[in-house]
Amino acid sequence: RKEVEQDPGPFNVPEGATVAFNCTYSNSASQSFFWYRQDCRKEPKLLMSVYSSGNEDGRFTAQLNRASQYISLLIRDSKLSDSATYLCVVNDMRFGAGTRLTVKP
Amino acid sequence: EAGVTQSPTHLIKTRGQQATLRCSPISGHTSVYWYQQALGLGLQFLLWYDEGEERNRGNFPPRFSGRQFPNYSSELNVNALELEDSALYLCASSLRDRGPSDTQYFGPGTRLTVL
Repeated sequence: RKEVEQDPGPFNVPEGATVAFNCTYSNSASQSFFWYRQDCRKEPKLLMSVYSSGNEDGRFTAQLNRASQYISLLIRDSKLSDSATYLCVVNDMRFGAGTRLTVKP
Repeated sequence: EAGVTQSPTHLIKTRGQQATLRCSPISGHTSVYWYQQALGLGLQFLLWYDEGEERNRGNFPPRFSGRQFPNYSSELNVNALELEDSALYLCASSLRDRGPSDTQYFGPGTRLTVL
């Protein structure tokens, strides 16, 4: 089993849709969790950290479920500019393979 | 503030040669991470350096090595290049002053092509 696994995607959604991605991790002792965004042929950039209590940043909500060992990212009211690959990161260095999102007009 | 810089942008080598990739972290950052991203795949962790020491290593053969200099810049060396080493190599830096949960800032990467 991989250390970090993500929904493979791709997710193709219309503008305005709500979309959610999950990311499971195998190490129950994991302490830090992040979501990064990577645009085509660009470097990853931090989208948001994931806190135990869950956190929200505008249209984006991240949650952590320690019991089931997964984190999630919810994007509301999708914009065309949200089209990218979303990478989850566990314990600083363990990246998921990414979930590709395409938001269509 | 300048971001993470990497050089060269592109590197073309032939099988069996050696490649050297360079990374300069954000000023004040002491940790440098190296990742390999093969086409269409996720980031695979290679190496982590902090304060000049190798702190962790991913599941890569010993021909992948590196070092961190006193000014915190870093070098990744890949010996005996193989065709499957062709990938984007990303460097990231972080502060690491808050424990293990520091944000990583990525450079633009070096695209290595092995012919």
